[in-house]
Amino acid sequence: DGGITQSPKYLFRKEGQNVTLSCEQNLNHDAMYWYRQDPGQGLRLIYYSQIVNDFQKGDIAEGYSVSREKKESFPLTVTSAQKNPTAFYLCASSMPGLYNEQFFGPGTRLTVL
Amino acid sequence: RKEVEQDPGPFNVPEGATVAFNCTYSNSASQSFFWYRQDCRKEPKLLMSVYSSGNEDGRFTAQLNRASQYISLLIRDSKLSDSATYLCVVNAGGFKTIFGAGTRLFVKA
Repeated sequence: DGGITQSPKYLFRKEGQNVTLSCEQNLNHDAMYWYRQDPGQGLRLIYYSQIVNDFQKGDIAEGYSVSREKKESFPLTVTSAQKNPTAFYLCASSMPGLYNEQFFGPGTRLTVL
Repeated sequence: RKEVEQDPGPFNVPEGATVAFNCTYSNSASQSFFWYRQDCRKEPKLLMSVYSSGNEDGRFTAQLNRASQYISLLIRDSKLSDSATYLCVVNAGGFKTIFGAGTRLFVKA
């Protein structure tokens, strides 16, 4: 089955800790994205990557970091510099084209204690 | 003004009803348009891409009005399983994709 997987599903973090969220896809998509969703709000773009070893900041990149060492993988690190990290984090991928439809993983719900 | 605006709802409708959602976007250079469905605490799932001529998929019809910068989604014969949040999504070119905050729909027996 082709798809996008994210782990863990739920993550609890103490203040001051860095945590890394995993995102893997076997759709052979070139582009991958990280979004954050807060209650009652639309998705906001954190980072995106068009190809391996390249990534770009989105609208809310401060306090986050990413890497893209393999086409299939795009992990997101939430650093201690992120002031309000409690949120639902969604990873997506797409094959660039006319419509650029994005497909999402199941998400990771991060809670800072 | 938000780049993509939707009525947050909620829309409460009985089974079998027809319901319409509207969405406006601010960037006239936007190139592609989508409706996604998001169930509570789940990921968004692509419902329909919206083509210039309008398109239909079973009970769902999407329309685009570029002159008015307006997209709509019509659901006919609503089912209980249609209860969800519907996200209007606009791609302004390249990797700039803007998600609306969503419209909540409750379909009741």
